[in-house]
Amino acid sequence: QKEVEQDPGPLSVPEGAIVSLNCTYSNSAFQYFMWYRQYSRKGPELLMYTYSSGNKEDGRFTAQVDKSSKYISLFIRDSQPSDSATYLCAMGAGRRALTFGSGTRLQVQP
Amino acid sequence: DTGVSQDPRHKITKRGQNVTFRCDPISEHNRLYWYRQTLGQGPEFLTYFQNEAQLEKSRLLSDRFSAERPKGSFSTLEIQRTEQGDSAMYLCASSLSRFYEQYFGPGTRLTVT
Repeated sequence: QKEVEQDPGPLSVPEGAIVSLNCTYSNSAFQYFMWYRQYSRKGPELLMYTYSSGNKEDGRFTAQVDKSSKYISLFIRDSQPSDSATYLCAMGAGRRALTFGSGTRLQVQP
Repeated sequence: DTGVSQDPRHKITKRGQNVTFRCDPISEHNRLYWYRQTLGQGPEFLTYFQNEAQLEKSRLLSDRFSAERPKGSFSTLEIQRTEQGDSAMYLCASSLSRFYEQYFGPGTRLTVT
């Protein structure tokens, strides 16, 4: 079983919808939680990072971490067609390497 | 452009050949990472440098793989005797002191025929 699980999708939503993307993990040592966006054939782009449990908001994006449930989420408000991409969660535990989920492909229909 | 750059962007090689990729991190970033990503998967960690010192290597990094960062700036990743299973996107990332704030380059897509 992978340390980080992420539904591959695709997740298809209409423009303007609220999108919820999620990851679960098994390693309780993870303390840092990141979300990356990756367009086709491009490198991942860092969207947000959070430390430990709680919420963090940045514009249309909100990241939530629930360490007790080993569950993290990314919410995208007022989704746009330009948000169509693969969203990767990543986690770190004080080591230098990040552990990534396999990504969820999001399609926002105009 | 002050982001992470990688060269070449695409490489097609025949099985058994050696290939070398280059990564130029964001200037003043002292930490540099190599990852490998296959289709439908997230990036998998290969190795990490702090300045010129290689501090961590994944079990994924077989004896055919070697990485260097001779002057603590750019880095190279060499694959010897390539195999078809080496076909993947090779990603480089860099960071300052906060290891969780890694910035990725566009990647080098390797195809082994």
